[in-house]
Amino acid sequence: QSVLTQPPSVSGAPGQRVTISCTGSSSNLGAGYGVHWYQQPPGTAPKLLIYGNGNRPSGVPDRFSGSKSGTSASLAITGLQAEDEADYYCQSYDSSLSGYVFGTGTTVTVL
Amino acid sequence: EVQLVESGGGLVQPGGSLRLSCEGSGFTFSSYEMNWVRQAPGKGLEWVSYISNSGSTIYYADSVKGRFTISRDNAKNSLYLQMNSLRADETAIYYCARGGGAEPRLLAHWGQGTLVTVSS
Repeated sequence: QSVLTQPPSVSGAPGQRVTISCTGSSSNLGAGYGVHWYQQPPGTAPKLLIYGNGNRPSGVPDRFSGSKSGTSASLAITGLQAEDEADYYCQSYDSSLSGYVFGTGTTVTVL
Repeated sequence: EVQLVESGGGLVQPGGSLRLSCEGSGFTFSSYEMNWVRQAPGKGLEWVSYISNSGSTIYYADSVKGRFTISRDNAKNSLYLQMNSLRADETAIYYCARGGGAEPRLLAHWGQGTLVTVSS
């Protein structure tokens, strides 16, 4: 079972801004562990999109941004493009489980 | 360029065993933590196991503890997952993923995955 909760889906028109929330608890996000985000287009492997709450690996467009506060985090996509259609997952570490935890996943649809 | 290539997937009967391998290239394998993550058809990501760069520290998800064993051979740039007593609901794509180095507890690079099908 996923420990981090995300909305099942979000959608937006090209050029719009969408946000994806990720809600955890005191043993993961609330304990100060970083949150990371992954993008998984259909039929492909996940790819790191944001690390350490809000840092972008080289090659990731600055349209993608992340933030974290307390037991919640969010991913924002501005200037939505057709190529952004994918599943998005947040991930952190949970001290009570002594392991990595993922969010439930969010499907982004570009209208 | 970092590359991770998984192998060893296939069809196995419930209760059977399978050993997955993951070969890394394009980086100093012995310097990085490694993980296995799985994804059942149409489902989300599930972390399975972690091993430190030296192999001295290992963690498992509760769902696989006692049945799966993670290991690595740094001389061969390879990661392994021995899976025993497999169940039908463990049918999934199994990915190996490399850690982030200085940034802890993240999955910086992923392989393309290997499909494990548990069915009679």
